[in-house]
Amino acid sequence: GNSVTQMEGPVTLSEEAFLTINCTYTATGYPSLFWYVQYPGEGLQLLLKATKADDKGSNKGFEATYRKETTSFHLEKGSVQVSDSAVYFCALSDLSGGSNYKLTFGKGTLLTVNP
Amino acid sequence: DARVTQTPRHKVTEMGQEVTMRCQPILGHNTVFWYRQTMMQGLELLAYFRNRAPLDDSGMPKDRFSAEMPDATLATLKIQPSEPRDSAVYFCASGLVRLGTGTGSAGELFFGEGSRLTVL
Repeated sequence: GNSVTQMEGPVTLSEEAFLTINCTYTATGYPSLFWYVQYPGEGLQLLLKATKADDKGSNKGFEATYRKETTSFHLEKGSVQVSDSAVYFCALSDLSGGSNYKLTFGKGTLLTVNP
Repeated sequence: DARVTQTPRHKVTEMGQEVTMRCQPILGHNTVFWYRQTMMQGLELLAYFRNRAPLDDSGMPKDRFSAEMPDATLATLKIQPSEPRDSAVYFCASGLVRLGTGTGSAGELFFGEGSRLTVL
C-alpha cells in the first residue's frame, strides 16, 4: 500500500535559518506529491505540489523536488520567518486504478521559528 | 472566496450522546473527505465520497460512525453513541477530480477549519 514517512518533530529554528523537512514515500503506482501546511487553529492548506519526477514545486519561498530514484520529496526554505511556524504534512495521491485518488498523509512535523 | 464550511466548530458532549457534524463543500467539487486528527494518530481518513457516492469508509468504526451526503451541498458525519476516545478534531475537505483522461487533477484538497469534539 501507499505510505508517507516524514521526519519527526518538533523542529525549532531561529529566524532566517535554513529549513529542511525530510519526506519519503512508498507507492504502488506513480503518485503526485504534496506539502500541506496547518497554521494553529486552522485546517490544512496546500503549500506546493509536484506531479512527475524531477518536478520542483515552489510557493512562498518553500521548495520541494520530486525525486523518483530516492522516493523523496524534501521540503526546504532558505530563510524561515516566525510566520512559518506551523505543522507541515507531506502527502501523496496515487492516480493508479483502485486508489481512487485519495491522499495519504504523513504524521506531520511541527515547526517553531523563534525571533 | 470559496471555502469549505464546517459546523459546529466546537462541541462538548457526554459519553453516549449522539453527535452530528456537518460540512458544506465548495460548490462544484465532486469529492468530499472526512479526516480525524489527534495528537497520537495524526490525520486519519475516515470516509470519502465522489459525486455523493461513498467510495471508501474503511477507516471508520462501523458500529458507531456513519457518513452520508444527502445532497451535493451537505456532508454529514454522525457518531452514535459517542465515546471519550472519539475526542478529536474532525476535518472535512473537498476537491475536484477530473476523470476520464487517465490523469485526473487530484490531490489539491480544500479543508474546512475543523470541528473540535470533546466527549466527557
